[in-house]
Amino acid sequence: DAGVTQSPTHLIKTRGQQVTLRCSPISGHKSVSWYQQVLGQGPQFIFQYYEKEERGRGNFPDRFSARQFPNYSSELNVNALLLGDSALYLCASSWVVYNEQFFGPGTRLTVL
Amino acid sequence: SQQGEEDPQALSIQEGENATMNCSYKTSINNLQWYRQNSGRGLVHLILIRSNEREKHSGRLRVTLDTSKKSSSLLITASRAADTASYFCATDAAGGTSYGKLTFGQGTILTVHP
Repeated sequence: DAGVTQSPTHLIKTRGQQVTLRCSPISGHKSVSWYQQVLGQGPQFIFQYYEKEERGRGNFPDRFSARQFPNYSSELNVNALLLGDSALYLCASSWVVYNEQFFGPGTRLTVL
Repeated sequence: SQQGEEDPQALSIQEGENATMNCSYKTSINNLQWYRQNSGRGLVHLILIRSNEREKHSGRLRVTLDTSKKSSSLLITASRAADTASYFCATDAAGGTSYGKLTFGQGTILTVHP
């Protein structure tokens, strides 16, 4: 079975631009979570979606938004990019919210 | 803020030796999960241990959980050069609306020398 997939792999943007990152969960998984990992630190929780509803939001500004589609795939949008948004963005899926979360390879975002 | 704190921050050992990493956390949890990360790539899930469990094994991995001390340890036995990676503990805090939200520590960088 395919694992969690994310696209694109790498992305370079300039300050002020907007970006959309995509995630496809493991088949059968209904929960998708997004994390941001800056260099040298552990991942930080951004959002969790379960059955297309937002179930959790981390301490991130309103520039960050997400949604989950009927096929359980998800998009993370970041508006008005700042240099500090440069990070590895990780998507994780789980069957239900209390189970193991399996991570994708991540999208490396560089903001210039 | 970081819920889990790993110790040590870095660990360097020879192939064949055992590696032990510790994780402390602050609040009650539903479960604790250990992950491995190679060179800034995606996280690989190793083990999930629930709050009512004390010990779990998976191959060369052994995880213990002491909820009274709010701590966990990951033991890798007979380490290999391929085990070189960063290891993270992540807690799923109990109560409120935080279920399913994992809070990660800073990680332990393990280097296994051939």
